[in-house]
Amino acid sequence: GAGVSQTPSNKVTEKGKYVELRCDPISGHTALYWYRQSLGQGPEFLIYFQGTGAADDSGLPNDRFFAVRPEGSVSTLKIQRTERGDSAVYLCASSSDRGNEQFFGPGTRLTVL
Amino acid sequence: AQSVTQLDSQVPVFEEAPVELRCNYSSSVSVYLFWYVQYPNQGLQLLLKYLSGSTLVKGINGFEAEFNKSQTSFHLRKPSVHISDTAEYFCAVSKSSGSARQLTFGSGTQLTVLP
Repeated sequence: GAGVSQTPSNKVTEKGKYVELRCDPISGHTALYWYRQSLGQGPEFLIYFQGTGAADDSGLPNDRFFAVRPEGSVSTLKIQRTERGDSAVYLCASSSDRGNEQFFGPGTRLTVL
Repeated sequence: AQSVTQLDSQVPVFEEAPVELRCNYSSSVSVYLFWYVQYPNQGLQLLLKYLSGSTLVKGINGFEAEFNKSQTSFHLRKPSVHISDTAEYFCAVSKSSGSARQLTFGSGTQLTVLP
């Protein structure tokens, strides 16, 4: 079956612009996670959704970052007033209800010039 | 809070030799443990996981790992590596209770298999 998909695969933007990154989880998976992976580092947790609600957003670095999942499936990570330090690969993962394994998408590589 | 330390950032090894990638963790609560592999320009793929039971877990591609609670370690091993095992390997932990199971990752170990 289809895995987790993320679009776009690459996004280049200018400092100060707004970007949206999309994640399409595995069908039926209720849990969805966003992570950020900077060069040479392991992924870092950003936000967790259970259904439509953000159950834990403690990893969001500041209020320029926001994510939604309005229908409990597709999620969008939104970054306002992008900064060069936001450049990273943004990963999305999903799991079944109370599942122990997270399935990762291929990521979106964001470059802020 | 949890933390994960991967002691080696790079491990070069010759083809068909054994390899061990080291992982230590710290947590005030009970955790699950995972190893993920990331091939160039690809997403993370689960190699194996420890949830409970036998401390020796076997995963895909001939990898295995042993959970050692007293040493808070979860080292990854393979008795004979192939060129195709060249990749970045990440150790990760999550809480074992509650609905929020976000992963805390180590900084990764680049395994390079030499011919």
